[in-house]
Amino acid sequence: AQSVAQPEDQVNVAEGNPLTVKCTYSVSGNPYLFWYVQYPNRGLQFLLKYITGDNLVKGSYGFEAEFNKSQTSFHLKKPSALVSDSALYFCAFTHNTDKLIFGTGTRLQVFP
Amino acid sequence: EPEVTQTPSHQVTQMGQEVILRCVPISNHLYFYWYRQILGQKVEFLVSFYNNEISEKSEIFDDQFSVERPDGSNFTLKIRSTKLEDSAMYFCASSPGTENYEQYFGPGTRLTVT
Repeated sequence: AQSVAQPEDQVNVAEGNPLTVKCTYSVSGNPYLFWYVQYPNRGLQFLLKYITGDNLVKGSYGFEAEFNKSQTSFHLKKPSALVSDSALYFCAFTHNTDKLIFGTGTRLQVFP
Repeated sequence: EPEVTQTPSHQVTQMGQEVILRCVPISNHLYFYWYRQILGQKVEFLVSFYNNEISEKSEIFDDQFSVERPDGSNFTLKIRSTKLEDSAMYFCASSPGTENYEQYFGPGTRLTVT
């Protein structure tokens, strides 16, 4: 079955340090890849997406993600983490359909 | 900035009762969705809706579920006879286009079935 995997349940990082939240995909063909963030008691907020073109995608709040076809990855990155970045992050994709298929989520904890 | 709204924020109901969850999508969007998230699990697709009909539904979306766009603004999810396992957070989303467009999510309705 086509899917995305987020291998880490939780990522801990100190404020000011770079952060990476990992996502790998198992999708035939060319998927459209997305990152969403969920703050406590809130809905999902769109961060960024990869459709085609430049493999480095820039999104909201200083986040970026790199599409790597050879490694089938779409890791989310930020050069300098903020305490306010602490939230639940979901990788997702669509492929020949508009339904989003989500990963299991990674909880990011940024410590002051 | 326009946003998707959902009511109520929390609904408690008894097993076997009908519930209707309401959503107001962003006004110029054409594609509408329902997803659910059982506590501690991932977000799962339920149904997509376009041009006043269901365009796709998941295995979860059985005969107990229905969706409707009764007027030009609301989009509703009805569960006819709730079960304990329907307890979850239900998210509505809308989008201006299909698969390569981002979907905008509402804050969710927490449904608790007792």
